[in-house]
Amino acid sequence: DGGITQSPKYLFRKEGQNVTLSCEQNLNHDAMYWYRQDPGQGLRLIYYSQIVNDFQKGDIAEGYSVSREKKESFPLTVTSAQKNPTAFYLCASSMSLGTYSNQPQHFGDGTRLSIL
Amino acid sequence: GEDVEQSLFLSVREGDSSVINCTYTDSSSTYLYWYKQEPGAGLQLLTYIFSNMDMKQDQRLTVLLNKKDKHLSLRIADTQTGDSAIYFCAERLPGAGSYQLTFGKGTKLSVIP
Repeated sequence: DGGITQSPKYLFRKEGQNVTLSCEQNLNHDAMYWYRQDPGQGLRLIYYSQIVNDFQKGDIAEGYSVSREKKESFPLTVTSAQKNPTAFYLCASSMSLGTYSNQPQHFGDGTRLSIL
Repeated sequence: GEDVEQSLFLSVREGDSSVINCTYTDSSSTYLYWYKQEPGAGLQLLTYIFSNMDMKQDQRLTVLLNKKDKHLSLRIADTQTGDSAIYFCAERLPGAGSYQLTFGKGTKLSVIP
């Protein structure tokens, strides 16, 4: 079945450590997104990519980095510069059609990151 | 305001109808979406409505759109305990970067048996 796979489901980070969250999709979607979810905050966009080898910062990109070397993959690195990384991280993807075409975002099951 | 706004909590009895409301930001939004999130899971697309429609019905779900007031609602008929979750509305704006969605903070629906 087509879908979005995020791994790991739970991740623990030590102080000063970088960690990478994996996101893979087999939906043949051009666009991919990373969101951070905190209780009562809804979803906040970290980074997004509309095409391979290109990505843009979202609303809260500081302390995070991404790469988009393959269409299927959009890994997110939480760097040591991110001082409050404990959150639920969601990856999504969508088609990149015209402005008036329906292209909902489809989500993975998330990765919960905690600080040791 | 600049935010998509939703009430944070809603509690209903099993078998009653639930109505979740959302106020979005831009009258030129093209598509509006409703997503459901169960505990510890990602967001599941429930339904959507295109901006030139007033209403859309899909089994127990009814979406109403009032463009003049920028108001969107989701009605769940015969609410079941399995409907307990957080519901997010999201809008998609036209123009450059229109792949992005702007989400509300979510409404937590609790269904009382």
